[in-house]
Amino acid sequence: GAVVSQHPSWVICKSGTSVKIECRSLDFQATTMFWYRQFPKQSLMLMATSNEGSKATYEQGVEKDKFLINHASLTLSTLTVTSAHPEDSSFYICSAPDSLAKNIQYFGAGTRLSVL
Amino acid sequence: KQEVTQIPAALSVPEGENLVLNCSFTDSAIYNLQWFRQDPGKGLTSLLLIQSSQREQTSGRLNASLDKSSGRSTLYIAASQPGDSATYLCAVRLGTSGSARQLTFGSGTQLTVLP
Repeated sequence: GAVVSQHPSWVICKSGTSVKIECRSLDFQATTMFWYRQFPKQSLMLMATSNEGSKATYEQGVEKDKFLINHASLTLSTLTVTSAHPEDSSFYICSAPDSLAKNIQYFGAGTRLSVL
Repeated sequence: KQEVTQIPAALSVPEGENLVLNCSFTDSAIYNLQWFRQDPGKGLTSLLLIQSSQREQTSGRLNASLDKSSGRSTLYIAASQPGDSATYLCAVRLGTSGSARQLTFGSGTQLTVLP
Protein backbone atom coordinates (compact mmCIF):
# COMPACT_ATOMS: atom_id res chain seq x y z
CA GLY A 1 0.00 0.00 0.00
CA ALA A 2 0.92 3.64 -0.25
CA VAL A 3 3.34 5.05 2.31
CA VAL A 4 3.44 8.43 3.98
CA SER A 5 6.74 9.25 5.64
CA GLN A 6 6.97 11.80 8.43
CA HIS A 7 10.16 13.29 9.81
CA PRO A 8 11.36 13.74 12.48
CA SER A 9 9.61 11.22 14.68
CA TRP A 10 10.54 13.08 17.85
CA VAL A 11 11.85 16.55 18.50
CA ILE A 12 12.68 18.46 21.65
CA CYS A 13 13.16 22.19 21.43
CA LYS A 14 13.48 25.24 23.62
CA SER A 15 10.62 27.64 24.04
CA GLY A 16 10.68 30.35 21.38
CA THR A 17 12.34 28.31 18.67
CA SER A 18 10.73 27.07 15.46
CA VAL A 19 10.38 23.45 14.43
CA LYS A 20 9.74 22.07 10.96
CA ILE A 21 8.01 18.75 10.37
CA GLU A 22 8.08 17.07 6.97
CA CYS A 23 5.45 14.83 5.43
CA ARG A 24 6.23 12.95 2.23
CA SER A 25 4.16 10.67 0.05
CA LEU A 26 6.72 8.07 -1.01
CA ASP A 27 5.16 6.26 -3.93
CA PHE A 28 2.27 8.42 -4.98
CA GLN A 29 1.45 12.04 -5.57
CA ALA A 30 -0.66 14.01 -3.16
CA THR A 31 -2.11 17.35 -4.17
CA THR A 32 -3.65 17.51 -0.72
CA MET A 33 -2.25 16.56 2.66
CA PHE A 34 -3.79 16.88 6.08
CA TRP A 35 -2.23 17.85 9.38
CA TYR A 36 -3.64 16.62 12.69
CA ARG A 37 -2.76 17.26 16.31
CA GLN A 38 -3.32 14.74 19.06
CA PHE A 39 -3.06 15.51 22.76
CA PRO A 40 -2.52 12.64 25.22
CA LYS A 41 -5.48 10.30 25.51
CA GLN A 42 -7.45 12.40 23.03
CA SER A 43 -8.39 11.84 19.45
CA LEU A 44 -6.96 13.34 16.31
CA MET A 45 -8.07 16.87 15.58
CA LEU A 46 -7.69 18.25 12.07
CA MET A 47 -5.57 21.39 12.06
CA ALA A 48 -5.32 22.24 8.40
CA THR A 49 -5.50 21.02 4.84
CA SER A 50 -2.37 21.56 2.81
CA ASN A 51 -2.88 22.24 -0.90
CA GLU A 52 -0.09 21.89 -3.44
CA GLY A 53 0.67 25.21 -5.07
CA SER A 54 -1.81 27.23 -3.04
CA LYS A 55 -2.55 28.37 0.48
CA ALA A 56 -3.45 25.92 3.20
CA THR A 57 -6.93 25.84 4.67
CA TYR A 58 -6.95 26.10 8.45
CA GLU A 59 -9.60 24.82 10.82
CA GLN A 60 -11.32 27.18 13.20
CA GLY A 61 -9.15 28.09 16.14
CA VAL A 62 -5.85 27.16 14.49
CA GLU A 63 -3.47 30.11 14.09
CA LYS A 64 -2.13 30.18 10.56
CA ASP A 65 0.77 32.44 11.52
CA LYS A 66 1.87 30.05 14.20
CA PHE A 67 1.50 26.85 12.19
CA LEU A 68 3.00 27.59 8.80
CA ILE A 69 2.23 25.07 6.10
CA ASN A 70 4.03 24.77 2.80
CA HIS A 71 3.12 22.29 0.08
CA ALA A 72 5.68 23.06 -2.59
CA SER A 73 5.59 19.77 -4.46
CA LEU A 74 3.26 16.87 -5.13
CA THR A 75 5.08 14.71 -2.62
CA LEU A 76 6.04 17.04 0.22
CA SER A 77 4.20 19.15 2.76
CA THR A 78 5.84 20.83 5.73
CA LEU A 79 4.43 22.15 8.98
CA THR A 80 6.49 24.72 10.86
CA VAL A 81 5.59 25.46 14.45
CA THR A 82 6.88 28.98 14.92
CA SER A 83 7.98 30.38 18.29
CA ALA A 84 6.99 27.14 19.97
CA HIS A 85 5.75 27.18 23.56
CA PRO A 86 5.19 24.33 26.02
CA GLU A 87 1.47 24.29 25.22
CA ASP A 88 2.37 23.37 21.63
CA SER A 89 3.82 20.10 22.89
CA SER A 90 1.74 17.43 21.22
CA PHE A 91 1.75 14.61 18.70
CA TYR A 92 1.44 15.84 15.12
CA ILE A 93 0.31 13.45 12.38
CA CYS A 94 0.01 14.03 8.66
CA SER A 95 -2.00 12.09 6.12
CA ALA A 96 -2.60 12.02 2.41
CA PRO A 97 -5.52 10.64 0.42
CA ASP A 98 -5.08 7.83 -2.05
CA SER A 99 -4.52 9.28 -5.52
CA LEU A 100 -7.46 7.31 -6.93
CA ALA A 101 -9.72 6.48 -3.97
CA LYS A 102 -9.84 9.87 -2.30
CA ASN A 103 -11.85 8.60 0.64
CA ILE A 104 -8.93 6.42 1.76
CA GLN A 105 -6.23 8.21 3.73
CA TYR A 106 -2.72 7.05 4.53
CA PHE A 107 -1.20 8.30 7.76
CA GLY A 108 2.35 9.14 8.70
CA ALA A 109 3.94 7.72 11.84
CA GLY A 110 3.63 11.04 13.62
CA THR A 111 6.00 13.52 15.24
CA ARG A 112 6.17 14.00 18.98
CA LEU A 113 7.04 17.59 19.80
CA SER A 114 8.22 18.47 23.27
CA VAL A 115 8.80 22.15 23.97
CA LEU A 116 10.81 22.88 27.10
CA LYS B 1 -22.02 17.95 13.47
CA GLN B 2 -20.88 14.35 13.54
CA GLU B 3 -19.75 13.07 16.94
CA VAL B 4 -18.01 9.75 17.45
CA THR B 5 -17.91 8.10 20.85
CA GLN B 6 -15.90 5.06 21.86
CA ILE B 7 -16.64 2.99 24.93
CA PRO B 8 -14.86 1.95 27.03
CA ALA B 9 -12.01 4.45 27.13
CA ALA B 10 -9.72 1.78 28.51
CA LEU B 11 -9.91 -1.99 28.77
CA SER B 12 -7.66 -4.55 30.36
CA VAL B 13 -8.12 -8.27 29.69
CA PRO B 14 -6.13 -11.46 30.23
CA GLU B 15 -4.54 -13.10 27.24
CA GLY B 16 -6.81 -15.39 25.25
CA GLU B 17 -10.05 -13.57 25.92
CA ASN B 18 -12.41 -12.47 23.19
CA LEU B 19 -13.37 -8.83 23.45
CA VAL B 20 -15.56 -6.18 21.87
CA LEU B 21 -14.83 -2.50 21.38
CA ASN B 22 -17.71 -0.15 20.73
CA CYS B 23 -18.08 2.91 18.54
CA SER B 24 -21.17 5.06 18.13
CA PHE B 25 -21.82 8.01 15.84
CA THR B 26 -24.57 10.60 15.76
CA ASP B 27 -25.08 11.10 12.02
CA SER B 28 -26.04 7.85 10.34
CA ALA B 29 -25.51 9.23 6.82
CA ILE B 30 -21.96 7.96 6.66
CA TYR B 31 -20.01 6.87 3.62
CA ASN B 32 -17.74 4.45 5.43
CA LEU B 33 -16.30 3.62 8.83
CA GLN B 34 -12.74 2.68 9.59
CA TRP B 35 -10.99 1.10 12.54
CA PHE B 36 -7.37 2.01 13.23
CA ARG B 37 -4.74 0.82 15.62
CA GLN B 38 -2.30 3.25 17.21
CA ASP B 39 0.70 2.08 19.20
CA PRO B 40 2.16 4.47 21.80
CA GLY B 41 3.89 7.39 20.12
CA LYS B 42 3.17 6.02 16.69
CA GLY B 43 0.94 6.81 13.75
CA LEU B 44 -2.21 5.03 12.66
CA THR B 45 -2.46 1.60 11.11
CA SER B 46 -5.67 0.88 9.25
CA LEU B 47 -7.29 -2.37 10.38
CA LEU B 48 -10.65 -2.59 8.69
CA LEU B 49 -12.77 -0.35 6.48
CA ILE B 50 -16.50 -0.93 6.17
CA GLN B 51 -18.47 0.74 3.42
CA SER B 52 -21.92 2.03 4.32
CA SER B 53 -23.54 -0.74 2.28
CA GLN B 54 -21.70 -3.46 4.19
CA ARG B 55 -22.59 -5.07 7.50
CA GLU B 56 -19.19 -6.42 8.49
CA GLN B 57 -15.59 -6.95 7.52
CA THR B 58 -13.16 -9.57 8.74
CA SER B 59 -9.40 -9.76 8.81
CA GLY B 60 -7.77 -12.59 10.71
CA ARG B 61 -8.84 -12.41 14.35
CA LEU B 62 -10.60 -9.10 13.80
CA ASN B 63 -14.22 -8.63 12.85
CA ALA B 64 -15.88 -5.25 12.51
CA SER B 65 -19.61 -4.80 12.22
CA LEU B 66 -21.65 -1.80 11.17
CA ASP B 67 -25.24 -0.95 11.98
CA LYS B 68 -25.74 2.35 10.21
CA SER B 69 -29.33 2.85 11.27
CA SER B 70 -28.48 2.70 14.95
CA GLY B 71 -25.19 4.55 14.52
CA ARG B 72 -23.03 1.77 15.91
CA SER B 73 -20.00 -0.27 15.04
CA THR B 74 -18.16 -2.93 17.00
CA LEU B 75 -14.68 -4.32 16.67
CA TYR B 76 -14.43 -7.91 17.84
CA ILE B 77 -11.00 -9.30 18.66
CA ALA B 78 -10.79 -13.04 19.07
CA ALA B 79 -8.24 -14.84 21.24
CA SER B 80 -6.51 -11.65 22.31
CA GLN B 81 -2.71 -11.53 22.57
CA PRO B 82 -0.34 -9.16 24.39
CA GLY B 83 0.69 -7.85 20.98
CA ASP B 84 -2.86 -6.54 20.52
CA SER B 85 -2.22 -3.96 23.24
CA ALA B 86 -2.69 -0.55 21.65
CA THR B 87 -5.22 2.22 21.27
CA TYR B 88 -8.01 1.46 18.83
CA LEU B 89 -9.59 4.39 17.01
CA CYS B 90 -12.85 4.46 15.13
CA ALA B 91 -13.38 7.04 12.37
CA VAL B 92 -16.39 7.77 10.21
CA ARG B 93 -16.47 9.50 6.85
CA LEU B 94 -19.52 11.46 5.77
CA GLY B 95 -18.81 12.08 2.10
CA THR B 96 -16.76 10.95 -0.85
CA SER B 97 -14.75 14.02 -1.77
CA GLY B 98 -11.68 12.89 0.12
CA SER B 99 -11.66 15.94 2.33
CA ALA B 100 -10.32 15.19 5.80
CA ARG B 101 -13.01 17.48 7.15
CA GLN B 102 -15.44 14.69 6.44
CA LEU B 103 -13.47 12.26 8.61
CA THR B 104 -14.31 12.30 12.31
CA PHE B 105 -12.36 10.29 14.86
CA GLY B 106 -13.43 8.89 18.19
CA SER B 107 -11.17 9.35 21.20
CA GLY B 108 -10.14 5.71 21.19
CA THR B 109 -10.13 2.68 23.45
CA GLN B 110 -6.83 1.86 25.10
CA LEU B 111 -6.52 -1.92 25.21
CA THR B 112 -4.11 -3.80 27.44
CA VAL B 113 -3.83 -7.56 27.06
CA LEU B 114 -2.11 -9.09 30.05
CA PRO B 115 0.12 -12.13 29.52
